[in-house]
Amino acid sequence: GAGVSQSPRYKVAKRGQDVALRCDPISGHVSLFWYQQALGQGPEFLTYFQNEAQLDKSGLPSDRFFAERPEGSVSTLKIQRTQQEDSAVYLCASSFQTGGTYEQYFGPGTRLTVT
Amino acid sequence: GQQLNQSPQSMFIQEGEDVSMNCTSSSIFNTWLWYKQDPGEGPVLLIALYKAGELTSNGRLTAQFGITRKDSFLNISASIPSDVGIYFCAGDTGANSKLTFGKGITLSVRP
Repeated sequence: GAGVSQSPRYKVAKRGQDVALRCDPISGHVSLFWYQQALGQGPEFLTYFQNEAQLDKSGLPSDRFFAERPEGSVSTLKIQRTQQEDSAVYLCASSFQTGGTYEQYFGPGTRLTVT
Repeated sequence: GQQLNQSPQSMFIQEGEDVSMNCTSSSIFNTWLWYKQDPGEGPVLLIALYKAGELTSNGRLTAQFGITRKDSFLNISASIPSDVGIYFCAGDTGANSKLTFGKGITLSVRP
């Protein structure tokens, strides 16, 4: 079946612009995660949804970052007034299990470049 | 915060050789996962481990969940060119479902 999909795959934004990144999880997966991956580093947790409820947003680096999953399926990560330090790959993952991480399956990521 | 340590940063092996890489932590984890990432792609799950001492295989890959719950290792046997990539370990404390990742090991395989 289809895996996790993300769009766009690449995004170039001028500093100060707002961006919206989309994630389509695997059908039936109730848990959805966003991670940020800087060049040469491992992914770092941003936020977690169980269905439409955002259960953990402790990893969001500032109040310019906002995520939503209004119908418990597709999720959008929005970054307002982008800064150069926001340049990174943004990864979305989904998981069937609700109580723990178990097996998280990742999408291909969106590479954001802020100029 | 919690950190997972992977070293060395890069490994170079000859095709056909076995390679082992480990991951250590100062904190206890309840779940260990190993991922492989190719350039321009997202991490692909290789093996998931849920119990201390567990040894799990997936083809030429074998991984173990350390008894202390603070380490894990991944072994690749009879390496082939498509094994090239970045290997990440990731752990979950079970507290809030987020994964903590190591910095990854870049594996190169010489034909």
